[in-house]
Amino acid sequence: AQKITQTQPGMFVQEKEAVTLDCTYDTSDQSYGLFWYKQPSSGEMIFLIYQGSYDEQNATEGRYSLNFQKARKSANLVISASQLGDSAMYFCAMREGRRNNDMRFGAGTRLTVKP
Amino acid sequence: DGGITQSPKYLFRKEGQNVTLSCEQNLNHDAMYWYRQDPGQGLRLIYYSQIVNDFQKGDIAEGYSVSREKKESFPLTVTSAQKNPTAFYLCASSIDDSHNEQFFGPGTRLTVL
Repeated sequence: AQKITQTQPGMFVQEKEAVTLDCTYDTSDQSYGLFWYKQPSSGEMIFLIYQGSYDEQNATEGRYSLNFQKARKSANLVISASQLGDSAMYFCAMREGRRNNDMRFGAGTRLTVKP
Repeated sequence: DGGITQSPKYLFRKEGQNVTLSCEQNLNHDAMYWYRQDPGQGLRLIYYSQIVNDFQKGDIAEGYSVSREKKESFPLTVTSAQKNPTAFYLCASSIDDSHNEQFFGPGTRLTVL
């Protein structure tokens, strides 16, 4: 069963505007972690942000914030003040338990920032 | 500069051949991982290693083999038993297998001719 769902294959945003990338997940575990990674055209994956299931506050890292809605099982990534360099693939991932070998990735969303 | 290197960037293989993808890290990380990425899909775990001289199968280990003789190195061999090996392969490492941030290499694109 698909555990991570990213429903937006592609998104466009105007430079300097904010954009939300959607992610929903499915788990029966109480303890889990949610991640967002960025993959530029060069290929490497870059860790952006992490949210633990017990964290009460939404995670933020600079221009990135994770809108965590536990009851709805969603973990949307919000990028504020988009820059041209934000154009990339973005992957949502979930880790059930504490080990990285239990990480599951979504299919990704391609974000294009327009000048 | 600390980081992860993968070589080669592009690799072409004839059917029936084994090939080995290199992954080296100088981050002093204990845990290392190999992922496969296919178009339109997320990453899938092939093998992982929590510590030197130890490794475990991931979700799609069939047709692949690894070794972890040194902390810095985690090579992946794609054997002829792998039926559909054309894909993008990413190596990653983390301080330990529970640390949140994984660091990724630039990837190797393998094409079977």
